[in-house]
Amino acid sequence: SQELEQSPQSLIVQEGKNLTINCTSSKTLYGLYWYKQKYGEGLIFLMMLQKGGEEKSHEKITAKLDEKKQQSSLHITASQPSHAGIYLCGADWTGATNKLIFGTGTLLAVQP
Amino acid sequence: GAGVSQSPSNKVTEKGKDVELRCDPISGHTALYWYRQSLGQGLEFLIYFQGNSAPDKSGLPSDRFSAERTGGSVSTLTIQRTQQEDSAVYLCASRPDSNEKLFFGSGTQLSVL
Repeated sequence: SQELEQSPQSLIVQEGKNLTINCTSSKTLYGLYWYKQKYGEGLIFLMMLQKGGEEKSHEKITAKLDEKKQQSSLHITASQPSHAGIYLCGADWTGATNKLIFGTGTLLAVQP
Repeated sequence: GAGVSQSPSNKVTEKGKDVELRCDPISGHTALYWYRQSLGQGLEFLIYFQGNSAPDKSGLPSDRFSAERTGGSVSTLTIQRTQQEDSAVYLCASRPDSNEKLFFGSGTQLSVL
C-alpha cells in the first residue's frame, strides 16, 4: 500500500546480530500494529502502539512509534532463527473509517 | 468459537467458476475484515464490516468480488467467474471494536486452474 511503506523489503542477517525494520505512513497514525507471519502459518500479533513516543518490548523485540505518529520501527536484538518470517505493519488513521491497511511486509531470514 | 474460523482451508477451482469463502469471526467481534495475500506479498485490503454500518468495499478489485455479513456474524466472500490472477490466500480477521488488534483466521488457499 502506498499509504504505508515498509523497509527493507527483505533482510538477511547472521544469528546474533541486531536488526531494524521501518514502517512509514504518509498521514498521522491512530494505531500501529506489528504482526509476524511464518511460512504456511497464520499471523501472530506482536505489538500495538497508539501514543506518540510510545515504546513497547516483548522478549528481544522492541517497537517504537515516533512523536509525530508517522513512523514506527521494530528492532530485534541478538536475532535467532526463530525470528525468521515476514513482518507486517498495519495501521488505523485518524478520521478514517478504521479500514486497517497493511504495509508490503519485510521478509527476514536469520542465518545460523 | 475460540478463534476466527475460515473454510475451506484449500479450494481448487477451474477458471470461470464461482467460489464462496466463509469466515466465522470470534463471537461478539463487531468488526470483520477480508484481505488477500499473493505469494510473497503483503496483505491487500478487500472489504471491512463494522456492526450494522454499510461495509467499506473500497478494496474489492473488481465487480466479480462481493461479500456479505449475515446477522453481524458469519461472512461470505464470493468471487464470480474466477480468473487465474485470483489465486491467492484469502484471510479473514475480526476485532472487538475499532482500534484494537485484529485476530486472524488461518486463511483459504484459492487456486484457479
